[in-house]
Amino acid sequence: DIQMTQSPSSLSASVGDRVTITCRSSQTISTYLNWYQHKPGHAPKLLIFAVSSLQSGVPSRFSGSGSGTDFTLTIGNLQPEDFATYYCQQSSNTLYTFGQGTKVEIK
Amino acid sequence: HVQLVQSGAEVKKPGSSVKVSCEASGDSFSSQTFSWVRQAPGHGLECMGRIIPILSITEYAQKFQGRVTFTADTSTKTAYIELRNLRSDDTAVYFCARVIGVGGSSVFDVWGQGTLVTVSS
Repeated sequence: DIQMTQSPSSLSASVGDRVTITCRSSQTISTYLNWYQHKPGHAPKLLIFAVSSLQSGVPSRFSGSGSGTDFTLTIGNLQPEDFATYYCQQSSNTLYTFGQGTKVEIK
Repeated sequence: HVQLVQSGAEVKKPGSSVKVSCEASGDSFSSQTFSWVRQAPGHGLECMGRIIPILSITEYAQKFQGRVTFTADTSTKTAYIELRNLRSDDTAVYFCARVIGVGGSSVFDVWGQGTLVTVSS
């Protein structure tokens, strides 16, 4: 199985901050890497697919980068509605494993 | 526009089974792929596997092999997950999600609202 490891597991930030979350896969996954946002009581929401492509309707302050085994989600100019948990997900194989999540909290 | 509507919350005893449904609106149900994802309290998202109804393909994460079954009824456009021999650590919110290919990657683009399954004696 492909293991996905995110860091940090949580972070505190202020509105307007730039936030970076990293995700590492246990083996090369090319560009088969997606990011989701999850808020309590709601279904997860797809933000970014194929490393850096923004899902329709997602604000441009979200961006992704990386390749191989190391990937990054960046939120520029953090907004109040961005406080949530973020997950990376590999789609290199059909077990579609997620990282353990990064909770972005208000400082 | 596809929507996925799941069945309601369940409370089950340890050792029993639960079956959760996920009804899809829109066309082309049988040709699509659906995954089941769960989130236990205080834990992250965990993909349990996938089903492709038109091909009768099911694939399960090793952790759940032998205890879980995915099925689909194409006449009612409904996918099901059955989890057997329930334990307290199966207490979780269970989501169904549609899987599509976008930009060369497979993504979960539409999700059900989630079903809370509580396992308690």
